[in-house]
Amino acid sequence: AQSVTQPDIHITVSEGASLELRCNYSYGATPYLFWYVQSPGQGLQLLLKYFSGDTLVQGIKGFEAEFKRSQSSFNLRKPSVHWSDAAEYFCAVGAPRNNDMRFGAGTRLTVKP
Amino acid sequence: DTGVSQNPRHKITKRGQNVTFRCDPISEHNRLYWYRQTLGQGPEFLTYFQNEAQLEKSRLLSDRFSAERPKGSFSTLEIQRTEQGDSAMYLCASSQISGGPGEQYFGPGTRLTVT
Repeated sequence: AQSVTQPDIHITVSEGASLELRCNYSYGATPYLFWYVQSPGQGLQLLLKYFSGDTLVQGIKGFEAEFKRSQSSFNLRKPSVHWSDAAEYFCAVGAPRNNDMRFGAGTRLTVKP
Repeated sequence: DTGVSQNPRHKITKRGQNVTFRCDPISEHNRLYWYRQTLGQGPEFLTYFQNEAQLEKSRLLSDRFSAERPKGSFSTLEIQRTEQGDSAMYLCASSQISGGPGEQYFGPGTRLTVT
């Protein structure tokens, strides 16, 4: 079965700085990959997804992620972080042949003024 | 499109009591998923429905848990004889049929506290 690792439990960045959140997956073929964001008291919101094609995907709120098969990674990036980006971020992997989506443990992002 | 809704948003119950949660998916979505999320963890898959059929259940779903989606619209998740370890956020998501897990839209969750 597929699995996801988010190595960073908590990251703090200054407002306006760039951001990269790491995600490594384990799956034998090309997976479906997702990044979700969860703000306190809110449901998970899909930021972006990768199914196939261009390995650099653009999402909402200025986020992008790059699928690197050789590194089994799908890192999330944003060039300039805003205070409103403070939240919990989850990477998830799904297998094309089943409906079981596995989430990482999440990375909590704190934004310093 | 009003999004996925869940009721109640919070539930406090005493150990041993039964609880039931409701999820109303996005209307045109055929698939409905239940997840459980504990503090500091990502959501864990519990079960999913395609229309009214429950097609997959996780080993996490003990026999005290039962889910239904009687008319292929809303779904209920019931926990019988609750235990303190059941305290968690229960999330519902829905998606349209696709070749895999698809793009899931999540509700705000029901936070269960078992005392």
